[in-house]
Amino acid sequence: AQSVTQLGSHVSVSEGALVLLRCNYSSSVPPYLFWYVQYPNQGLQLLLKYTTGATLVKGINGFEAEFKKSETSFHLTKPSAHMSDAAEYFCAVSADSGGYQKVTFGTGTKLQVIP
Amino acid sequence: NAGVMQNPRHLVRRRGQEARLRCSPMKGHSHVYWYRQLPEEGLKFMVYLQKENIIDESGMPKERFSAEFPKEGPSILRIQQVVRGDSAAYFCASSPKGGNPHSGANVLTFGAGSRLTVL
Repeated sequence: AQSVTQLGSHVSVSEGALVLLRCNYSSSVPPYLFWYVQYPNQGLQLLLKYTTGATLVKGINGFEAEFKKSETSFHLTKPSAHMSDAAEYFCAVSADSGGYQKVTFGTGTKLQVIP
Repeated sequence: NAGVMQNPRHLVRRRGQEARLRCSPMKGHSHVYWYRQLPEEGLKFMVYLQKENIIDESGMPKERFSAEFPKEGPSILRIQQVVRGDSAAYFCASSPKGGNPHSGANVLTFGAGSRLTVL
């Protein structure tokens, strides 16, 4: 079984400030981890993913995330927030489930960027 | 190369009516997943289908909900006798394969969603 916990359903940052969105996962097997972004009235877009190898993963739009196995975390960061980053962000975990990779999502974090 | 296409984007139904949501996966993708997003909640897995087969329906309500992915045509999520609690956004995603553990992660491509409102 696998699960994802996103701490903070709403996060507000000032434009230009650091963005930190927290994600902790639980998985009985080595997981694959993802961050998706959802803009209003749209589907989810993949920001970045961790599969194997380097634990610091860089994605689109200046976002990155670090896989920390000891902390079971995969927090999303961006050094400087832009107004266009305002959206909802979902952390997801994928692990083997009866022969296929089942993807489980967190409840999401809405990011507000204050001018 | 069109992405995942969902229609209708918005659907309004009265209690007791039927809702049919359609999903055409990306070209070359033969695996389809349906998720439901309730207000202030994350995406909840409903069902995973391959062509003509339901692989995992562990997230589907036992009654009134059904899904299919025929050999030809889009995947259909059908909700019979809708109730107000069915109001939600329903997202379809596709992948080229189910994500064999030995061949890499299962990256999903999402459609824009179908928003169902039950009056």
